[in-house]
Amino acid sequence: DGGITQSPKYLFRKEGQNVTLSCEQNLNHDAMYWYRQDPGQGLRLIYYSQIVNDFQKGDIAEGYSVSREKKESFPLTVTSAQKNPTAFYLCASQGPGQLYGYTFGSGTRLTVV
Amino acid sequence: EDKVVQSPLSLVVHEGDTVTLNCSYEVTNFRSLLWYKQEKKAPTFLFMLTSSGIEKKSGRLSSILDKKELFSILNITATQTGDSAVYLCAVSTNAGKSTFGDGTTLTVKP
Repeated sequence: DGGITQSPKYLFRKEGQNVTLSCEQNLNHDAMYWYRQDPGQGLRLIYYSQIVNDFQKGDIAEGYSVSREKKESFPLTVTSAQKNPTAFYLCASQGPGQLYGYTFGSGTRLTVV
Repeated sequence: EDKVVQSPLSLVVHEGDTVTLNCSYEVTNFRSLLWYKQEKKAPTFLFMLTSSGIEKKSGRLSSILDKKELFSILNITATQTGDSAVYLCAVSTNAGKSTFGDGTTLTVKP
């Protein structure tokens, strides 16, 4: 079955450490997105990529980095520069022409301890 | 800066009631408005609206867009406990990204 897989589901990190969240899709979608969701809030865009080897900053890119070396993969690194990284992270993809809504992964909940 | 505002933030109803959720927006280069349902983790897509005045329907859910007033509503009739969720409104622009509202938390009591 086609879909998006995020891993791990839960992640604990010590302050000062970088951590990478995985996002893999087998939908053959060109566009992929990373969003952050905090309790009681909507989704805020971190980074997005519309094609391999290209990506753009979203509204809250500071303290995060991404790569898009393969169409199927869009990993997100949360660096030590991110001041408040504890949150729920959602990866999404979208088919060509933006004719349909996003397909979301099941998310990664990151907690800084 | 693109902005999407949803109201109410939360709503508690009883089974069988009809609810209306609101979404207003201010964005540059509007392309479409989308509604999603988030029950536990991953939001699931409900509707995409691009034209004013054309109602989209799926069972007990329906939605309509007013591009002049920059507004959309999501209606749910004969609510069931399974409709309890966070409903997210998002606006997509020609830049290829979507801005989300904070969501409306709907609780349907038996």
